[in-house]
Amino acid sequence: KNEVEQSPQNLTAQEGEFITINCSYSVGISALHWLQQHPGGGIVSLFMLSSGKKKHGRLIATINIQEKHSSLHITASHPRDSAVYICAPHTDKLIFGTGTRLQVFP
Amino acid sequence: ETGVTQSPTHLIKTRGQQVTLRCSSQSGHNTVSWYQQALGQGPQFIFQYYREEENGRGNFPPRFSGLQFPNYSSELNVNALELDDSALYLCASSLYLGGGSETQYFGPGTRLLVL
Repeated sequence: KNEVEQSPQNLTAQEGEFITINCSYSVGISALHWLQQHPGGGIVSLFMLSSGKKKHGRLIATINIQEKHSSLHITASHPRDSAVYICAPHTDKLIFGTGTRLQVFP
Repeated sequence: ETGVTQSPTHLIKTRGQQVTLRCSSQSGHNTVSWYQQALGQGPQFIFQYYREEENGRGNFPPRFSGLQFPNYSSELNVNALELDDSALYLCASSLYLGGGSETQYFGPGTRLLVL
C-alpha cells in the first residue's frame, strides 16, 4: 500500500465548477504540502499546512491530522487551473502522491 | 517564478556515462533537495543538503551523489547511467529554521534521457 493516496487520479470539469481533490496518508507528518505541476514539469508550492484550513484566492486546503486526510478545493474553476495537483506529506522528507490530473474545459 | 534555476533544461546521454545537473537556489536558502520524477509518476526524494552537508537520503544507490556550495548552488551527479535513470530531475530550495516543515521552491527541472 502506498504511503500517500490521492483521488481521483484524473478529473475533468467545466469552467466554474467546484473541484475537490483528496489525499490520504499513512505516515506521521510534520506538515503537508499541496503542489501544482504544469505540463513541462515546473512545480509550484500552493500550500503548506499542519492543521486546519488555509485559503489563497480560489484555492482552499484543509487537513485533518487525526484522520490523516487532506483536501484541496478549487472554487469557480478556470481552464488555467488545468494541471497536475500533488499532495506531499512531510515526514523527514517529502513523500509525493502520484498526483491528480485536472482538466478544466471552457 | 520561484527564483530557482536549473541547467541544462534537457540532456541526452548514453548508458554508462556520467552526468552533472546544476541548481541555483534562492539567495539565502540553506537547504536544497533533489528529486527524480519518472514519466507519469510523482517525484521521488533523492537526497537533501543542508549547509553543504548531506542531510537525508532516499532509496537511491551511491552512484547518485551531490554537492552544495556556499554560493547557493548545488549539483547532482549520476555515475554509470542506466536506462531507468531517464527522468525529470527537480531541485527545490528552502530556508530551514528548525522544527517542522518549510515551503520548498522548485526549479523547472532537467529532463534527462539515457539511450
